[in-house]
Amino acid sequence: KAGVTQTPRYLIKTRGQQVTLSCSPISGHRSVSWYQQTPGQGLQFLFEYFSETQRNKGNFPGRFSGRQFSNSRSEMNVSTLELGDSALYLCASSLNGPPDTQYFGPGTRLTVL
Amino acid sequence: QQQVKQSPQSLIVQKGGISIINCAYENTAFDYFPWYQQFPGKGPALLIAIRPDVSEKKEGRFTISFNKSAKQFSLHIMDSQPGDSATYFCAASRDYKLSFGAGTTVTVRA
Repeated sequence: KAGVTQTPRYLIKTRGQQVTLSCSPISGHRSVSWYQQTPGQGLQFLFEYFSETQRNKGNFPGRFSGRQFSNSRSEMNVSTLELGDSALYLCASSLNGPPDTQYFGPGTRLTVL
Repeated sequence: QQQVKQSPQSLIVQKGGISIINCAYENTAFDYFPWYQQFPGKGPALLIAIRPDVSEKKEGRFTISFNKSAKQFSLHIMDSQPGDSATYFCAASRDYKLSFGAGTTVTVRA
């Protein structure tokens, strides 16, 4: 089975721009979660989707949004980028969501200049 | 605010030694406690996990000890190998959300 794929792997944007990241889960997995990883804050939960519904959301501003499509693929969007948004954005898929085992993708490295 | 507190931040162990990483939590609603291992340039990968009704779980060289009354759990890596050098994260789950500890960088010296 193919693993979780994330595109693009690297992104460079400037402040004020917006960005869309994509995640394709493992075939058959219906849950997709997103995390932000930074050296200072570690791994922070952004949101979780299951069958196109957001079931939980972390403590991030409204500039961070996401969605899930009927094929379970997910996208997250960050609008009005700030320098502090520079991070590794990780997507994880699982059959039905935590506590089912989450399988992480390699991440998208976002740099905001 | 970190819901799961992890220590130490880093540790160095000799090959064949034991690595011990500790985590503590406050929220008694957490119902699942996994440990993840992350290598540079890779996403985290599940190592071992435990539910709060179990006090210990062992898989190969990795053991989780869980103390529900103290709200603490720990990872023991026995017979540490250079290939175990990585960052380890404890986590706790509730309501479809994983809360991670800050991570521990383990270096195993040959």
